[in-house]
Amino acid sequence: DGGITQSPKYLFRKEGQNVTLSCEQNLNHDAMYWYRQDPGQGLRLIYYSQIVNDFQKGDIAEGYSVSREKKESFPLTVTSAQKNPTAFYLCASSLPRGPTDTQYFGPGTRLTVL
Amino acid sequence: SQQGEEDPQALSIQEGENATMNCSYKTSINNLQWYRQNSGRGLVHLILIRSNEREKHSGRLRVTLDTSKKSSSLLITASRAADTASYFCATRNSGGSNYKLTFGKGTLLTVNP
Repeated sequence: DGGITQSPKYLFRKEGQNVTLSCEQNLNHDAMYWYRQDPGQGLRLIYYSQIVNDFQKGDIAEGYSVSREKKESFPLTVTSAQKNPTAFYLCASSLPRGPTDTQYFGPGTRLTVL
Repeated sequence: SQQGEEDPQALSIQEGENATMNCSYKTSINNLQWYRQNSGRGLVHLILIRSNEREKHSGRLRVTLDTSKKSSSLLITASRAADTASYFCATRNSGGSNYKLTFGKGTLLTVNP
């Protein structure tokens, strides 16, 4: 059953703690992405990776870090430097196959800072 | 930065009616894509229209693109309660070597049975 999974579905964090969100895909996609979604808002790109061992900052990378050691995995760490981390986090992947590439999304992780 | 802006922000219709959502963007694009998001879930790709296309159909979906006005519309015909979701447009800019998409803020569609 191919797809993209995120865990956990809900995550609670105390202020000052780092927390890592998991994203795994078995679609054999080269590119992976992390987005943040706030209520009533669209998606904002945090980081993306087009190939293993390489990643690029998106529009709102401050306070976040990523790694891409394996093709299947692209974990996101929300650090204590992120001042307002409560949000819905979405991971996506794509082949890519050029400009007409489309993205496949995981079910999301809802992070709440207590 | 967000490029696409959907209009309206929210739309409520009766089952069987048509729903039209609009998207405006600012820069030159290679293509424009529409995605759907059920509440609390991930996004699902619906349809892609290239910059040299003016209209595209997929089942009950019809997408138009007007590059001179930098706008697109998504029409869902004969709506069903199951179409209730948020709909986002996403643009891929022309040029560049990455495959980033820029998403709008979305239109929340409610289809009442």
